[in-house]
Amino acid sequence: SYVLTQPPSVSVAPGKTARITCGGNDIGSKSVHWYQQKPGQAPVLVIYYDSDRPSGIPERFSGSNSGNTATLTISRVEAGDEADYYCQVWDSNSGHWVFGGGTKLSVL
Amino acid sequence: EVQLVESGGGLVKPGGSLRLSCAASGLTFSVYSMNWVRQAPGKGLEWVSFISRSSTNIYYADSVKGRFTISRDDAKNSLYLQMNSLRAEDTAVYYCARGDRRTVTVFDYWGQGTLVTVSS
Repeated sequence: SYVLTQPPSVSVAPGKTARITCGGNDIGSKSVHWYQQKPGQAPVLVIYYDSDRPSGIPERFSGSNSGNTATLTISRVEAGDEADYYCQVWDSNSGHWVFGGGTKLSVL
Repeated sequence: EVQLVESGGGLVKPGGSLRLSCAASGLTFSVYSMNWVRQAPGKGLEWVSFISRSSTNIYYADSVKGRFTISRDDAKNSLYLQMNSLRAEDTAVYYCARGDRRTVTVFDYWGQGTLVTVSS
């Protein structure tokens, strides 16, 4: 089955840029979606189809996808961005939806 | 405003059964595919099952196939998950999540989840 690999944790200072990666075999050929989950809350979609932003999501959130790596970029990081972030794809070979293991973003 | 509200979680013994429900409002439920996604305590997200509009296509994760059954009642704007032969490893918060209209591969709205605990 298709595997998505994320770093367990990323730390960033307020006002700086955070980059969270999601690795997968030829992931650039797939559409990648990103979710933010704060403690005790349900996940929220923050980026879909690699780089589209749902309404209500700040422009500080952006995404890219190429080769074997997709990246969620959060510019001008705020304390409120501290959360777990998950990447997700649909694997056409298995017909299954796949999540990465999640990355905990800490704002120093 | 789209709202998805799960219910039916609780404590059940290994080998037991439970039926989860997800009540949808603020959307034309019948035109959307729906999913169940779960999260074990302290762990990541795991997709469980998918049901297309009109229940034409249904898929399950290998970990639940043969034990769980997804269904929907469009007249009641509701999604269900019948869980049988429950195991300790099924302990998780279960979320219902709407599939997007474009490709059904995005979970664009989520409920708040219902906790299922499988323990003797």
